Amino acid sequence: GENVEQHPSTLSVQEGDSAVIKCTYSDSASNYFPWYKQELGKGPQLIIDIRSNVGEKKDQRIAVTLNKTAKHFSLHITETQPEDSAVYFCAASIVDTGRRALTFGSGTRLQVQP
Amino acid sequence: DTEVTQTPKHLVMGMTNKKSLKCEQHMGHRAMYWYKQKAKKPPELMFVYSYEKLSINESVPSRFSPECPNSSLLNLHLHALQPEDSALYLCASSQGDVQPQHFGDGTRLSIL
Repeated sequence: GENVEQHPSTLSVQEGDSAVIKCTYSDSASNYFPWYKQELGKGPQLIIDIRSNVGEKKDQRIAVTLNKTAKHFSLHITETQPEDSAVYFCAASIVDTGRRALTFGSGTRLQVQP
Repeated sequence: DTEVTQTPKHLVMGMTNKKSLKCEQHMGHRAMYWYKQKAKKPPELMFVYSYEKLSINESVPSRFSPECPNSSLLNLHLHALQPEDSALYLCASSQGDVQPQHFGDGTRLSIL
C-alpha cells in the first residue's frame, strides 16, 4: 500500500518568513495530493490540492509543487502570519479507480512567531 | 464553520455503554467516511460509504458499527469500547470518487 513520509515534524518561523513542508510517497499510481491544516480542537481543513497532471498550483500565499519522477510534493507558505500556526498534513490518494482512501503523512506542527 | 456537522462534540462513556456518533452533510456528496485520530497522529481511515454502500472496511473491530441511513447521514454505533478507543472521531464527505474530502470538527470520545 501507499506510504507517505512528511518532514519536518515541527517548524518554527518568524512572522513574514516563508515555510516549506515536504512529503514523499511510495506508490507511483497515486495521482491526487491534498494538504490539510488542522487547528486545535478542529477537524482538518483542505487548504490546497494538486493532481498529477499539474506540476505547481498557487492560491494567494500558498503553493504546492509536485515532482512525479522523484515522487515528492511540497507545501510553500509565503509571508507567514501567526494565524498560519497549526498542524499541516499532506496526503496521497488514487482517484478515478474506486479507491478513495487518503494516506496521510505524519504531520508538521508549524509555529509562526510574531 | 464546517459543512460537515458532527454530534456530539464530546462524549464520555463507560466500557459497557452503547452510544452513537452522528454526521450530516448537505453538500450533495455521495461518499462519506469515518476516521479515527489519536493525539499528535494523522487521521486513520475506518470506513467508507459510497452511494450508501459500505465499500471499504479497514479491519476495524466489530465494536464499531457504521450505518448510512441516507446519502446525507452517517452514524457510528459504539458498543463495549476499550480505553484505547479514546480518540477524536472525524467524519468526512466527498463527491463520489472525486476528491477532495471535507472534514467535520469531530467527536472527542473518552472511554472510562
